[in-house]
Amino acid sequence: DTGVSQDPRHKITKRGQNVTFRCDPISEHNRLYWYRQTLGQGPEFLTYFQNEAQLEKSRLLSDRFSAERPKGSFSTLEIQRTEQGDSAMYLCASTTGTSGRADTQYFGPGTRLTVL
Amino acid sequence: AQSVTQLGSHVSVSEGALVLLRCNYSSSVPPYLFWYVQYPNQGLQLLLKYTSAATLVKGINGFEAEFKKSETSFHLTKPSAHMSDAAEYFCAVSDSGSGYSTLTFGKGTMLLVSP
Repeated sequence: DTGVSQDPRHKITKRGQNVTFRCDPISEHNRLYWYRQTLGQGPEFLTYFQNEAQLEKSRLLSDRFSAERPKGSFSTLEIQRTEQGDSAMYLCASTTGTSGRADTQYFGPGTRLTVL
Repeated sequence: AQSVTQLGSHVSVSEGALVLLRCNYSSSVPPYLFWYVQYPNQGLQLLLKYTSAATLVKGINGFEAEFKKSETSFHLTKPSAHMSDAAEYFCAVSDSGSGYSTLTFGKGTMLLVSP
């Protein structure tokens, strides 16, 4: 059973640069979530996809952030003009969507972003 | 809106001692509650979840949690700590959406286990 994978695991960039992260969910999962986790905090919801449709975005997702899920498979999260405050762990999770609020979200290992 | 409070950012126990990690929630709807564990440089792994069935929920690695509506609590326990239990633990509540689930997490509790 292949779990959720994320690439890269670590990314160091300079302020002002653009970065893109990739998430590959569990193959039969049609729902995909992005979270951000900063030091000393729990993960915070960023955005949610059902298949290829982006159905919800958090207020945390500023205009510099964009997420896509073409063809309902993998997803990408892009941050433009990175700022030091973007430094965090970006987590991806997927679910089957069959149990609504009771769904178990399966998390990937995360991408740790450091903005210098 | 739902919220979760985890009391104690760090909890230290000796190997073999009882583990108790506290979680209190606030929810405007009947809550679905989760405990996740995060090992260093890894993603989150589900320990157990409460979905309105039995109030005492058993999870993996010997952990269990009891849902107490009157106390709005969902504390995590393990009778005997093992060194491998050292990790960060997160309590989460499932937010109500249109048939989907976004999780609201607490700030986490780091469990330290000494020999």
